[in-house]
Amino acid sequence: SAVISQKPSRDICQRGTSLTIQCQVDSQVTMMFWYRQQPGQSLTLIATANQGSEATYESGFVIDKFPISRPNLTFSTLTVSNMSPEDSSIYLCSVRQGGNQPQHFGDGTRLSIL
Amino acid sequence: AQTVTQSQPEMSVQEAETVTLSCTYDTSESDYYLFWYKQPPSRQMILVIRQEAYKQQNATENRFSVNFQKAAKSFSLKISDSQLGDAAMYFCAYWTQGGSEKLVFGKGTKLTVNP
Repeated sequence: SAVISQKPSRDICQRGTSLTIQCQVDSQVTMMFWYRQQPGQSLTLIATANQGSEATYESGFVIDKFPISRPNLTFSTLTVSNMSPEDSSIYLCSVRQGGNQPQHFGDGTRLSIL
Repeated sequence: AQTVTQSQPEMSVQEAETVTLSCTYDTSESDYYLFWYKQPPSRQMILVIRQEAYKQQNATENRFSVNFQKAAKSFSLKISDSQLGDAAMYFCAYWTQGGSEKLVFGKGTKLTVNP
């Protein structure tokens, strides 16, 4: 499976600031996704990152709060904007090669907002 | 909408013993995929095993096997010869092609392995 590198692995931020998380894959992939995992909870899909076009957001998530870029088939970024303590979560990037291949995940970014 | 239910928030097993984690799901689709992911404290999500709904044979990966009951919409994970490294959160997940592409996860089961 693809090797997925996510940066940073963790960060502590002040409320009102923004943080950009990077996801780099060692091979071209069809689909890239961003998930949020709140403390003690399961994973919730934020959006599907589309190469060359705007991301597709799930209900409850908006572009102004979570802008996403995907300039090519191996790289994507998620920005968490105007952060509040409620944004403290693990953010995970996942990829799918296509067809019926399963999703594989990066190591995640643990984000804490003070 | 598809839902995935894991009714066991926590489970424990003795090292070298066998444990079964339960998962049920709800869907109106006939063609779909089911997965078990493992998340150790390091937080990485690791794919453990997958099952295609059209296959009657239960999937097996070394010490991990599933009991897939399509009519009952049940998908349990059996871990044999449990090892300390198996301690983690285990998430059951559902996916179908042609939809929104998202994985639908259960709430997870925390597995503790006792030496």
